[in-house]
Amino acid sequence: GQQVMQIPQYQHVQEGEDFTTYCNSSTTLSNIQWYKQRPGGHPVFLIQLVKSGEVKKQKRLTFQFGEAKKNSSLHITATQTTDVGTYFCAGPRNNNDMRFGAGTRLTVKP
Amino acid sequence: DAGVIQSPRHEVTEMGQEVTLRCKPISGHDYLFWYRQTMMRGLELLIYFNNNVPIDDSGMPEDRFSAKMPNASFSTLKIQPSEPRDSAVYFCASSFRNTEAFFGQGTRLTVV
Repeated sequence: GQQVMQIPQYQHVQEGEDFTTYCNSSTTLSNIQWYKQRPGGHPVFLIQLVKSGEVKKQKRLTFQFGEAKKNSSLHITATQTTDVGTYFCAGPRNNNDMRFGAGTRLTVKP
Repeated sequence: DAGVIQSPRHEVTEMGQEVTLRCKPISGHDYLFWYRQTMMRGLELLIYFNNNVPIDDSGMPEDRFSAKMPNASFSTLKIQPSEPRDSAVYFCASSFRNTEAFFGQGTRLTVV
């Protein structure tokens, strides 16, 4: 079945450095979603990408969906301590069941 | 709307006991998901409902797990009997037409 693989598992950066997490699927995805989970919290929706090659920005966050709709990335420019948390991508295995990647845990050293 | 509401927030129970987790989705949402989160296995989808009907329960680990959604505003996840390896954070999430999912605060279950 479809699996969503996410790398890296952990990333530690100095405040001000950039950060990128990557998501790859073995099959074509109809869409991909990104979530952020703060330590001790619950996943919070960030964005959904649907179109091939789509790029969306939210302030310092840039989301991309690959041309083949099998991969995606989240890039954070100039990280801040408020960016700390685990970032998950999620893709549907069939039509409606969102399966989550393992997540990338980001820590930021001030 | 208060968002997705889960209860209890924390549950500590002894092995062999029955555990019932509860979820109230956001009003008007037609999808409801139950996830389990552990360090080892990450966020696993256990089961999801569409318009109160279970669509896919292939993620339910064993027959000890069961879930129901008797109406659009309530769902339960039951574990009977519970085992220590069931210890995890259980999240309920709901969405409208499977767009963004809104997660509850989660129930932290500890089975001793």
